[in-house]
Amino acid sequence: DGGITQSPKYLFRKEGQNVTLSCEQNLNHDAMYWYRQDPGQGLRLIYYSQIVNDFQKGDIAEGYSVSREKKESFPLTVTSAQKNPTAFYLCASSSSAGKLFFGSGTQLSVL
Amino acid sequence: AQSVSQHNHHVILSEAASLELGCNYSYGGTVNLFWYVQYPGQHLQLLLKYFSGDPLVKGIKGFEAEFIKSKFSFNLRKPSVQWSDTAEYFCAVNAGNRDDKIIFGKGTRLHILP
Repeated sequence: DGGITQSPKYLFRKEGQNVTLSCEQNLNHDAMYWYRQDPGQGLRLIYYSQIVNDFQKGDIAEGYSVSREKKESFPLTVTSAQKNPTAFYLCASSSSAGKLFFGSGTQLSVL
Repeated sequence: AQSVSQHNHHVILSEAASLELGCNYSYGGTVNLFWYVQYPGQHLQLLLKYFSGDPLVKGIKGFEAEFIKSKFSFNLRKPSVQWSDTAEYFCAVNAGNRDDKIIFGKGTRLHILP
């Protein structure tokens, strides 16, 4: 089946630790996105990538990093600099601006 | 910078009532506009989109939205809601240039009473 695969479903981070969230797509889409979803805040854009080896900051990029070494993969690292990392993280991809296909998300919590 | 405002955070309606959810965006250039829906326990999915042409666009499940350029608005409507429309609805905007950046509003939780 074609789609977006995010892993893990649940992730726990200790103080001072970096954690990486995986996002893989087999839809052959050029653009990929990371959003953070908090109750009452909607989806806030962290990073997006329009092409391999290129990515742009979204509105809340501080404390996060990404890479786009392959078209299929767009991992997100939540660094220790992110002081409020507890949230639901959604990855998405798009072949043309607008129609996003979303993964099932990763819930990140701090221990 | 682009931004999206959704006026209603939580809406409660009875079945068969008419629905209108407000969405305003701030961007001076050409825009692409979207409504996404997230049903309980499901992924976000596209409800409808506007790129150009007829400003009244129809989507799935009887939803429609009207783009009013002078008001920077893209309100979502449905003449008669059903209990199954209970979900969270998100308006989103993309600057109609070659940038794929897509910004979402904070969402509106719609609760339909049976």
